[in-house]
Amino acid sequence: QSALTQPASVSGSPGQSITISCAGTHSDVGAYDYVSWYQQLPGKAPKLLIFDVTDRPSGVSDRFSGSKSGNTASLTISGLQAEDEADYYCSSYTSTSTLYVFGTGTKVTVL
Amino acid sequence: QVQLVQSGAEVKKPGSSVKVSCKTSGGTFTSFAFSWVRQAPGQGLEWVGGIIPMVGTAAYAQKSEGRVTITADEYTSTVYMELSSLIPEDTALYYCARRYWDWGQSKYHFDYWGQGTLVTVSS
Repeated sequence: QSALTQPASVSGSPGQSITISCAGTHSDVGAYDYVSWYQQLPGKAPKLLIFDVTDRPSGVSDRFSGSKSGNTASLTISGLQAEDEADYYCSSYTSTSTLYVFGTGTKVTVL
Repeated sequence: QVQLVQSGAEVKKPGSSVKVSCKTSGGTFTSFAFSWVRQAPGQGLEWVGGIIPMVGTAAYAQKSEGRVTITADEYTSTVYMELSSLIPEDTALYYCARRYWDWGQSKYHFDYWGQGTLVTVSS
């Protein structure tokens, strides 16, 4: 089970919108609507941002939104803020014995 | 208040074993499944395995299978991960993470995470 493919880095200016892609296969992203996204600040544990492709836990800003098309999921951050600088990981439930797979991670930089 | 509190850092020799604990509080222990996710220095996240305490079944990533054992103690609400035959490549921060579990209505995302336990494998 290979890691989901994300761009290594994405950057944007404050107020802009950015999108992070997460490419998988028919065995993971394409198989289920169980894609989630996590934000990891330096030295901290991951924090859940999006689950079930599009849903946000309570307390997460609506500037974060998720979507999926085929085997690729995406996370969009609107109105980029300095506090959004972090690493972002996608994850998907899979149909293999390795039940969960994570993305390669994307470092977001606010210019 | 939900908390997943993990045991402290470990330094081990190659070929030895390590057992890491994750004590949980806040919520009914058997209403959740728990996974272990590791992160090598400067690297991404990798699912190691998980357990559903209600039914006592564990599942492991193909890469780890045979060397990892995950158990749960319902009485102390604690989850354990034991990794044997350690190699330097096992050096990583190991996180426990929780997801909601119920017959036919489970969730497949991790809503709470422990603080992480650094396991260093070095001769």
